[in-house]
Amino acid sequence: GIQVEQSPPDLILQEGANSTLRCNFSDSVNNLQWFHQNPWGQLINLFYIPSGTKQNGRLSATTVATERYSLLYISSSQTTDSGVYFCAVFSGLGGGADGLTFGKGTHLIIQP
Amino acid sequence: GAGVSQSPSNKVTEKGKDVELRCDPISGHTALYWYRQRLGQGLEFLIYFQGNSAPDKSGLPSDRFSAERTGESVSTLTIQRTQQEDSAVYLCASSYGQGLSPLHFGNGTRLTVT
Repeated sequence: GIQVEQSPPDLILQEGANSTLRCNFSDSVNNLQWFHQNPWGQLINLFYIPSGTKQNGRLSATTVATERYSLLYISSSQTTDSGVYFCAVFSGLGGGADGLTFGKGTHLIIQP
Repeated sequence: GAGVSQSPSNKVTEKGKDVELRCDPISGHTALYWYRQRLGQGLEFLIYFQGNSAPDKSGLPSDRFSAERTGESVSTLTIQRTQQEDSAVYLCASSYGQGLSPLHFGNGTRLTVT
């Protein structure tokens, strides 16, 4: 099945810093999504981004499907950005979960 | 409802007992997923429904686990004869299906088996 790798696995930053999280995938995908899991365990869908660039406030995401990667940018980090960021890809190739595969996540800690 | 609703939010049970976890997806969402998340770990796929059928049961860890969905709406995940290793957060998610729309998660059920 498709492999999804996220980097870095852990990241510690000071409040106000910018960060870039990466998601690489091993095969063609139909779409890609980014999620934030806050310290209380809630999973929020940040972006549904099969290709191109989207922005939502301080967050933006870019997916380059032809090169099999996506980037999540967080600018002017706040402590509330702490948590785990997951990417998930849909390949439509079956192999389980309707072809939806999650990465292992990037654990982000923003220190005040 | 406005979002995916799961109940109960917390469940403590004794080893060997059966438990039922409920998920109410967003209205109109035909695809429904169950995941398990152990403390500090990633998401472990359990089962996926398209409508009321489950084309993929490959993630169910043992025959103690089963799930059903009725009316293309509510889903129930049942764990029989619970074991301590079943302790985890069980997450439900829904979408318009076939992975071609954003996936939305519920807040999960935290299961503790004592």
